Amino acid sequence: GAVVSQHPSWVICKSGTSVKIECRSLDFQATTMFWYRQFPKQSLMLMATSNEGSKATYEQGVEKDKFLINHASLTLSTLTVTSAHPEDSSFYICSARADTDTQYFGPGTRLTVL
Amino acid sequence: SQQGEEDPQALSIQEGENATMNCSYKTSINNLQWYRQNSGRGLVHLILIRSNEREKHSGRLRVTLDTSKKSSSLLITASRAADTASYFCATVRSSGSARQLTFGSGTQLTVLP
Repeated sequence: GAVVSQHPSWVICKSGTSVKIECRSLDFQATTMFWYRQFPKQSLMLMATSNEGSKATYEQGVEKDKFLINHASLTLSTLTVTSAHPEDSSFYICSARADTDTQYFGPGTRLTVL
Repeated sequence: SQQGEEDPQALSIQEGENATMNCSYKTSINNLQWYRQNSGRGLVHLILIRSNEREKHSGRLRVTLDTSKKSSSLLITASRAADTASYFCATVRSSGSARQLTFGSGTQLTVLP
């Protein structure tokens, strides 16, 4: 099956710093990638839809200036958490859409903000 | 996005038994999908059932869909300890072009050896 990677798999940073998370589709091209956030023992909440070459579409309540998304190529989308604070600590998961119905998920990135 | 509900929230069974998880959703859908997530890991796609389908099988998995009740169930037969994970249903709306997934609240399944 199609493979999606995320880097880093975990990151610890100080409050006020910015963190960039990469999402790559390794063996297919993805015109659309999605970013999710998951708190412990909870479900995935869609943060934004990222389309290659255009601006991301953010879900209601997600600050676009805080969570910067760049989808510069058909195989790479990045999420930058700017001026991170402890409440941003979470598990961030990306997915890439290969065709109309199938999304392939990355392994996730654990962010801890001290 | 509005999430669906899943029940039970947690299920503990003995190896060899069957596990049934239920999912309810709120909008008209194009399809419904089931995913598995091991602790602290990404999601693995299990099975997709379209709105015009009522039942689908894949190995030890059986999925049903009742669009009139806006509900689905996932049955895992002859469970194994390795099936221990969280299971999520996710729907794709019938409207909209982005084909976004809306996830249910999940069921934590524990299979005891």
